[in-house]
Amino acid sequence: EDQVTQSPEALRLQEGESSSLNCSYTVSGLRGLFWYRQDPGKGPEFLFTLYSAGEEKEKERLKATLTKKESFLHITAPKPEDSATYLCAVPGRSSGSARQLTFGSGTQLTVLP
Amino acid sequence: DAGVTQSPTHLIKTRGQQVTLRCSPKSGHDTVSWYQQALGQGPQFIFQYYEEEERQRGNFPDRFSGHQFPNYSSELNVNALLLGDSALYLCASSPSLGVTDTQYFGPGTRLTVL
Repeated sequence: EDQVTQSPEALRLQEGESSSLNCSYTVSGLRGLFWYRQDPGKGPEFLFTLYSAGEEKEKERLKATLTKKESFLHITAPKPEDSATYLCAVPGRSSGSARQLTFGSGTQLTVLP
Repeated sequence: DAGVTQSPTHLIKTRGQQVTLRCSPKSGHDTVSWYQQALGQGPQFIFQYYEEEERQRGNFPDRFSGHQFPNYSSELNVNALLLGDSALYLCASSPSLGVTDTQYFGPGTRLTVL
């Protein structure tokens, strides 16, 4: 069964204190890894797609990287408005599950002013 | 450009009742997926529709059914509601059936079963 594990479950940072979130997966033959941001009571907002090991993508204070077994979401000099739950997801490995996303449980990030 | 829209925003039902949730995909998208998200968990895949047919299904009972209309909008139906069906129901759309196509999510429908 495809597994996606995110750590830590929760992270509290002071404004300006950089850190990284981790997403590890057990899917072999990865066909993409997605990062989403979710605010309380709202739907996930798409951030990045990574397709191959070594790939990096950036958006404002966020940078996502991918290795063969895990992905990191680096947050540089975060602001309070970056507070949210960050989710990662991968497509299934089998032909029967290829188009369904398996999500991790998320990392709840709180940035204190 | 309108994103994915869902209705209603909130819904309260009692055990044993039936519910219908609605979704309109992002402009230019023809594939719709439904997810269930329990509090504190990541979304779980229910099923996906393309060309008005269910193309893939997650590990959910037959009480969960769906439909896609010719204009690509979709409905999720849940029969014989259980307390455990209380969750945020998310609709996501994508431009095709491609595995690597990004799925864009709507705001969700919060279902409470009493």
